[in-house]
Amino acid sequence: DTGVSQDPRHKITKRGQNVTFRCDPISEHNRLYWYRQTLGQGPEFLTYFQNEAQLEKSRLLSDRFSAERPKGSFSTLEIQRTEQGDSAMYLCASSRGLAGAGEQYFGPGTRLTVT
Amino acid sequence: GDSVTQMEGPVTLSEEAFLTINCTYTATGYPSLFWYVQYPGEGLQLLLKATKADDKGSNKGFEATYRKETTSFHLEKGSVQVSDSAVYFCALINSGGSNYKLTFGKGTLLTVNP
Repeated sequence: DTGVSQDPRHKITKRGQNVTFRCDPISEHNRLYWYRQTLGQGPEFLTYFQNEAQLEKSRLLSDRFSAERPKGSFSTLEIQRTEQGDSAMYLCASSRGLAGAGEQYFGPGTRLTVT
Repeated sequence: GDSVTQMEGPVTLSEEAFLTINCTYTATGYPSLFWYVQYPGEGLQLLLKATKADDKGSNKGFEATYRKETTSFHLEKGSVQVSDSAVYFCALINSGGSNYKLTFGKGTLLTVNP
């Protein structure tokens, strides 16, 4: 169990640019989640995958955001035409199936700064 | 929708003091309740959980009891240590609804001084 990893850890980009983040979950976990956390707030749910299927997207996830999980392994989160309001910590988590849904293992996060 | 409210921080205590961090929730159905902790420079970690009313979750000297009548899940520790300094998040997952996403409170920063 090597834990959930995320790459990059920090990203600074200019408004209007596209960015992509990667998450590698714990290998035997079939559920993968993305959350966003802003300063002074708890994480907010963005989207979730069961294996390769994206089963739910939050209303927070505008059309500029897209997430994939090809082959049910790693996942990517892309933000197109970034805006300053996208600046946040993006967290990835994974868990075993339904019974362990609340026991989510979080990665260290990717901190995005849009200038 | 589901929501979690936890006491505003920051909380500053001396070593060996008693800790309580209040958490209340609003949810339909039968939520499971969690406390997650974020140590400086680290990712969120599950601290303890309770899945039904009157359950007590415990770990590392921390305890919390699921109180359905008061919709609360307060975190307690009898004697805090400097190493407990962290941000603590109360959270729920709603088995009756969206049984995949955690709904978090805003977090409470705890600082323990020697």
